[in-house]
Amino acid sequence: DGGITQSPKYLFRKEGQNVTLSCEQNLNHDAMYWYRQDPGQGLRLIYYSQIVNDFQKGDIAEGYSVSREKKESFPLTVTSAQKNPTAFYLCASSIGSAGYTGELFFGEGSRLTVL
Amino acid sequence: AQSVAQPEDQVNVAEGNPLTVKCTYSVSGNPYLFWYVQYPNRGLQFLLKYITGDNLVKGSYGFEAEFNKSQTSFHLKKPSALVSDSALYFCAVRDSRGSYIPTFGRGTSLIVHP
Repeated sequence: DGGITQSPKYLFRKEGQNVTLSCEQNLNHDAMYWYRQDPGQGLRLIYYSQIVNDFQKGDIAEGYSVSREKKESFPLTVTSAQKNPTAFYLCASSIGSAGYTGELFFGEGSRLTVL
Repeated sequence: AQSVAQPEDQVNVAEGNPLTVKCTYSVSGNPYLFWYVQYPNRGLQFLLKYITGDNLVKGSYGFEAEFNKSQTSFHLKKPSALVSDSALYFCAVRDSRGSYIPTFGRGTSLIVHP
C-alpha cells in the first residue's frame, strides 16, 4: 500500500546527542515536510522540500537539519543545538506543485523524549 | 499572508447531538480549506476540503463543512456525534495566490460524552 513511514515511533535521547528521524514515502510525491507538534500549539513547520537536493527552512528550523538525496526519503536530524526537542514530529508529503489543490498525507509520527 | 484560527481549544458534546468545530481564515486570494483529524499518538488524517463550487462540502465519517465567504469561516459539522469522533481536529488553509504550503490552526479537541 502507498503511504508514509516514519521511524522510530518512540525515541529517547540524552541531552547533547543528535538523533535522526526517518521518513520514507512511496507515493511518488515531490514535496515533503517536517512538522513539530506540541500540546496547544498546533503544527509548526520545521523544513520542507519540493525537489531532490533542495529544501527550505520553515518557521522553526533552528536546531534541526534535513537532507533530500532521494525523492522517497526526507530524514530529520534533531541536533544538540535544539534547546527543547521533546515533541511529537510529523512527516508529510504532497504533490507540491503550485497548482496542486489537494491534501497533505501524513505519517504516524515519531515521539522524541529528551532525558 | 495566510492565517487560520480555531477559537475553541475544546468542544464538548453529548453522543447523538450535532457538533460544530469552528474555523476562520484570512487570505489575500481565494482560500483552499481543509479539515484533518488526529487520534492520540497518530498522524493526521484528511477529512474534507473546499476548493471551489458548492459551499457545503461532505467528507469522511459523516462529517461536512460549510464555507462562508462573507464570514471567512469553514466550520466542521456532523448531525449526530459518536463517542468515536472524540479526537483532535485541525483546520488548514492555503492561499490561491501564495505558496503550496498550508497553514494549520492550533487544533480543537472534540470530546463526545456517552
